[in-house]
Amino acid sequence: ELKVEQNPLFLSMQEGKNYTIYCNYSTTSDRLYWYRQDPGKSLESLFVLLSNGAVKQEGRLMASLDTKARLSTLHITAAVHDLSATYFCAVGRESNYQLIWGAGTKLIIKP
Amino acid sequence: EAQVTQNPRYLITVTGKKLTVTCSQNMNHEYMSWYRQDPGLGLRQIYYSMNVEVTDKGDVPEGYKVSRKEKRNFPLILESPSPNQTSLYFCASSLWDSYNEQFFGPGTRLTVL
Repeated sequence: ELKVEQNPLFLSMQEGKNYTIYCNYSTTSDRLYWYRQDPGKSLESLFVLLSNGAVKQEGRLMASLDTKARLSTLHITAAVHDLSATYFCAVGRESNYQLIWGAGTKLIIKP
Repeated sequence: EAQVTQNPRYLITVTGKKLTVTCSQNMNHEYMSWYRQDPGLGLRQIYYSMNVEVTDKGDVPEGYKVSRKEKRNFPLILESPSPNQTSLYFCASSLWDSYNEQFFGPGTRLTVL
């Protein structure tokens, strides 16, 4: 059974610092996604990772995928307050079109 | 504007009173999906559809029904709502399958008393 675990679930950090959110999954998969959700809002797609070693970057966010370790990371560089949000990873089941979601990481960046 | 719309956005109802939450997308997407979001549990998939007249169960389908008679619409039906279906519901769509990023609707907050 595919399970997705995010760490940490809550993160409070200072502006200007670097940090990494981890997404582990329990069985093989061929696709992984990162989404952002602002309080009271809907979800917005950040990255789609489809192959081992994939790395994508957008501004201060960089996501990578290691399919052998069943691990994806979302790295935040020189955090700014606007990045405060909840970040979700979602992993696709190989056998069908379902996505299994992590519980989310609530990120608070203090000025 | 490309978007996914849901109605209603907020709904308070009572146990057993049938309700429908509508979802519509204007991007000609084949894939559509319903999720529920509960604190600490992330999103859980209820049902999804790969195209017109093709639907399949997600992880938590009990108590829900869906239909896909037109490509743009994917309504979620609760025949006899119960308090444990109180949740935030999201509809999402994407091109042909879930390899592509999904676009989410604004959400429907449902309370069942």
